[in-house]
Amino acid sequence: QQPVQSPQAVILREGEDAVINCSSSKALYSVHWYRQKHGEAPVFLMILLKGGEQKGHEKISASFNEKKQQSSLYLTASQLSYSGTYFCGTARSARQLTFGSGTQLTVLP
Amino acid sequence: DSGVTQTPKHLITATGQRVTLRCSPRSGDLSVYWYQQSLDQGLQFLIHYYNGEERAKGNILERFSAQQFPDLHSELNLSSLELGDSALYFCASSRLGGGDNSPLHFGNGTRLTVT
Repeated sequence: QQPVQSPQAVILREGEDAVINCSSSKALYSVHWYRQKHGEAPVFLMILLKGGEQKGHEKISASFNEKKQQSSLYLTASQLSYSGTYFCGTARSARQLTFGSGTQLTVLP
Repeated sequence: DSGVTQTPKHLITATGQRVTLRCSPRSGDLSVYWYQQSLDQGLQFLIHYYNGEERAKGNILERFSAQQFPDLHSELNLSSLELGDSALYFCASSRLGGGDNSPLHFGNGTRLTVT
């Protein structure tokens, strides 16, 4: 079942913060985050395994609330290069990774 | 460069035809995934192979089939093509079974246009 991402789109100025949410109605094994720039392939950002673990990647971090089956991606002090579509992928087992519909992030100068 | 190679890059064909998309995973990766991305849409999971065996199937049409060969490369076959099959088809590979702590590495995709 496809996870639900919110918001669908975000527009912010360089230096501002953003949060992207991802939720599932089913118990999750792991949550993946990817970024896709227009016309390019998705690029891996990070994986969170169940256990409420939080990971970071430069100024981008994420959390995973296993009890609520929710993950959030935090982008702090946004840079122009952060623009793109962010996808969360959820796995209920080690066999299938299902992606949400994506959140389009636009960072303006 | 992700190390995942997809060919061809572009494919233009007519309705009713059959095409084959090819994917070579990163060296050492045992899993291959296929995803379909229609214009400005999300990534729709099609199928997952691990070390030559089918592991999971998504919303893959009966007109579509795939396989993973002993050298671990994979092919996605699309037949009786319809206009609605026009999309970007991504292949991704991962070291293990996927869905766990193995990141997916995506190829640059094959853009299929059905006229």
